[in-house]
Amino acid sequence: DTGVSQNPRHKITKRGQNVTFRCDPISEHNRLYWYRQTLGQGPEFLTYFQNEAQLEKSRLLSDRFSAERPKGSFSTLEIQRTEQGDSAMYLCASSLSGVNQPQHFGDGTRLSIL
Amino acid sequence: DQQVKQNSPSLSVQEGRISILNCDYTNSMFDYFLWYKKYPAEGPTFLISISSIKDKNEDGRFTVFLNKSAKHLSLHIVPSQPGDSAVYFCAAKSMDSNYQLIWGAGTKLIIKP
Repeated sequence: DTGVSQNPRHKITKRGQNVTFRCDPISEHNRLYWYRQTLGQGPEFLTYFQNEAQLEKSRLLSDRFSAERPKGSFSTLEIQRTEQGDSAMYLCASSLSGVNQPQHFGDGTRLSIL
Repeated sequence: DQQVKQNSPSLSVQEGRISILNCDYTNSMFDYFLWYKKYPAEGPTFLISISSIKDKNEDGRFTVFLNKSAKHLSLHIVPSQPGDSAVYFCAAKSMDSNYQLIWGAGTKLIIKP
């Protein structure tokens, strides 16, 4: 049983650099979500895909953030011109379609901005 | 504006006893509630959920209770085991959304041997 897979697990980069994270959802799940979590807080919703269509973006997702899911399978989240405030855990989740389907999470990518 | 609140940052319970984790919410549009468990350096793991049309859902040692009039839900774990030591998050979905979960800040549960 393959769960949600995220790569890399950790990313350390200098302020101003671009970073890209990858998420591979559970294979039969057509919904995919990105969240951000900082210490002592619950995850905050960033964006959501139904198959390859990005249907919702949070206002937390500034213009420096972009997410794609080109073939409706894996997804990438790119942050351009990283800032100190981008340091966080970036979590990906997937779920089946339908009403009240639980979201299943990967182990996240921890981003540290130097 | 915190719509989902977990007011206890931490809770310590003796092994074998009942653990009760609490969650309060403010949005009456929430119709689906979930509990997740999170170990350090891992993502949240789905535990149990409840729809707003029910007031109780049970799965093994885990039971979730929903009191809609009080806008309160709780997770009961009985008997508590050392492996239950983790951070527990309460999350809620609004009926006008199919996807967005609103999360509490979590409660750290420590099971003492």
